[in-house]
Order: sequence, then C-alpha cells, then structure tokens
Amino acid sequence: NAGVTQTPKFRVLKTGQSMTLLCAQDMNHEYMYWYRQDPGMGLRLIHYSVGEGTTAKGEVPDGYNVSRLKKQNFLLGLESAAPSQTSVYFCASSFGGPISTDTQYFGPGTRLTVL
Amino acid sequence: GENVEQHPSTLSVQEGDSAVIKCTYSDSASNYFPWYKQELGKRPQLIIDIRSNVGEKKDQRIAVTLNKTAKHFSLHITETQPEDSAVYFCAASNGNTNAGKSTFGDGTTLTVKP
Repeated sequence: NAGVTQTPKFRVLKTGQSMTLLCAQDMNHEYMYWYRQDPGMGLRLIHYSVGEGTTAKGEVPDGYNVSRLKKQNFLLGLESAAPSQTSVYFCASSFGGPISTDTQYFGPGTRLTVL
Repeated sequence: GENVEQHPSTLSVQEGDSAVIKCTYSDSASNYFPWYKQELGKRPQLIIDIRSNVGEKKDQRIAVTLNKTAKHFSLHITETQPEDSAVYFCAASNGNTNAGKSTFGDGTTLTVKP
C-alpha cells in the first residue's frame, strides 16, 4: 500500500513551457485535491475532484488544468508556466462519499521552479 | 466561504514546556477540525482531529479543544520534545456539503529548544 504518490519530485521549467504533474492513490479514495504551498501562506486549493470524470475549481485555479480520467489518478497541468507558479505542489486524497471522514492523506510533494 | 485564522505564526518553547496554537473559523456549518504536522521537507500528516459534537479530544501528549459558540479551536502539546519541532496547520471543513474541502490556516512554526 503506497498511499499517495506524486511524479516528479522536482522539476525546473522555463517560462512558457508546459508540464503535467501526476498524482496516484491506491486507497480507493473518491476525493482528490491539488494544493500549492508557498512560504508563509499555508496550503491553497487549486482544483479538486469528487469522483472519476469530475473536477472543480478551488481557491487559486488560474493557470492550471486538471483531469481525473481514472479514480486512482489526478493530473495537474500547467499549459504555459510562469515564475509565479514556482511552488511546492501537494496532492491529497480522502474517502469522500456518505461516510466521509474528511481526513486528507497527502503525497510527498513536487518542488517546481519556473525560471 | 470559510476563513481560518491561525495564531501565532511562530512559537518557540523550551523542551518540556507546553505549546498552544489557536485557530478561529468563520463558517458555523463547519463540523470537522483536523490538525496536521509538517516536518521540514515532508508532507503534512494528520496528528489529531475533532468533530463538532465533541468539546475535547486527547491523544497522549496532544489535545484539541473546540468552542463552537466562539468558533475557535486549539491544539495543546504538553511536555514538548525537540521532535515536536515542525509546522502545524489547522483546518476546518463541512463534510456534509463541501466535498470534503478543508480550509487551512497559514501554519505555525513550532521550535522546541533542547
């Protein structure tokens, strides 16, 4: 049981480049989330998903897109990276559904630098 | 939407002393309040949580209290140890209507001096 995993762990991009961050969970969780963490600003929700094939915007969605084609995977895309997107990105998942406990399990994070 | 404020932003204590971190929330419908610990370079991990039908919960050296009327909740760590040094985040959510989304505080950096 690997829990929540993220790929890649580190990445450096040039302004304007695109990339996709992959999150995978093997706990059969319904809900998945993408956060960014910047110094002194805590965790801010980018996008989230309440089930396969559904996504919704969070607090800071601009410049990002997501897809949840499979229940276990949640992809975060940056179409045209900007220096302001330099951050640590965390994926999380939770059980969801009618017996939701709301406890979120986090992945190890992806450190992204945009030059 | 929900707004969570966390204080203090930094806290330094001597080993063996107690540490208290406080959070306030704005949405009276919030019913779940977890606390996460994040060590340097690591992922946030749940350390304790409390639901709105409970006023206090304790797990060994850590405890959380909730005051629904005042809309604030606190994390208490007793007999602090150097390994308690980390960033602590509080969060609030409404599991019934909010897709499990949590609103996080900005974090408290706790330093325990040996």
